[in-house]
Amino acid sequence: AAGVIQSPRHLIKEKRETATLKCYPIPRHDTVYWYQQGPGQDPQFLISFYEKMQSDKGSIPDRFSAQQFSDYHSELNMSSLELGDSALYFCASSLESGSGANVLTFGAGSRLTVL
Amino acid sequence: AQKVTQAQTEISVVEKEDVTLDCVYETRDTTYYLFWYKQPPSGELVFLIRRNSFDEQNEISGRYSWNFQKSTSSFNFTITASQVVDSAVYFCALKRSFGNEKLTFGTGTRLTIIP
Repeated sequence: AAGVIQSPRHLIKEKRETATLKCYPIPRHDTVYWYQQGPGQDPQFLISFYEKMQSDKGSIPDRFSAQQFSDYHSELNMSSLELGDSALYFCASSLESGSGANVLTFGAGSRLTVL
Repeated sequence: AQKVTQAQTEISVVEKEDVTLDCVYETRDTTYYLFWYKQPPSGELVFLIRRNSFDEQNEISGRYSWNFQKSTSSFNFTITASQVVDSAVYFCALKRSFGNEKLTFGTGTRLTIIP
């Protein structure tokens, strides 16, 4: 079965640089979520999209932006990178059921290292 | 506000022992969903189970079992006859029961199975 595809899997950037992470959800899934997981921490919700519209926003820095495109893939753009942005970034997708019962399927994550 | 507490930061047991991971949650909602995810050393987040707050029946899947007690706001996870492959970080998570709501994760429990 198709899974959530994230790219790149690993990314190394310098401080103040820009990074872009991509997420390709499971086909026919209409909702995409982005999470950030720092070392030894739990995943923290950043932002989500439903049918290409932003549906919820969490603790996402103003330096970060995201969007979902017409083919449902999503991109997370991070600018003016800081050392503290080093983390594992997960994308998850789900098929909205209306009841909240939808299971989030996570990608393998993109590991960003800021030097 | 939603909150999930996993008081056990790290647990180590010898292979073949049983182990229980605790999860306590807080929510003002009367209906909600609870989840467990596994994060092995490779880093991906793997879905294990979803439980509807209406359904307090315990569930068993092979060596895994879950005990949901709404009266104590707990959703504990037991691994019977543990194996080395069970070594991972386990996250309990909470989700509101409407729309495409985000998952709120607990801080995770790192389980190490000693051969």
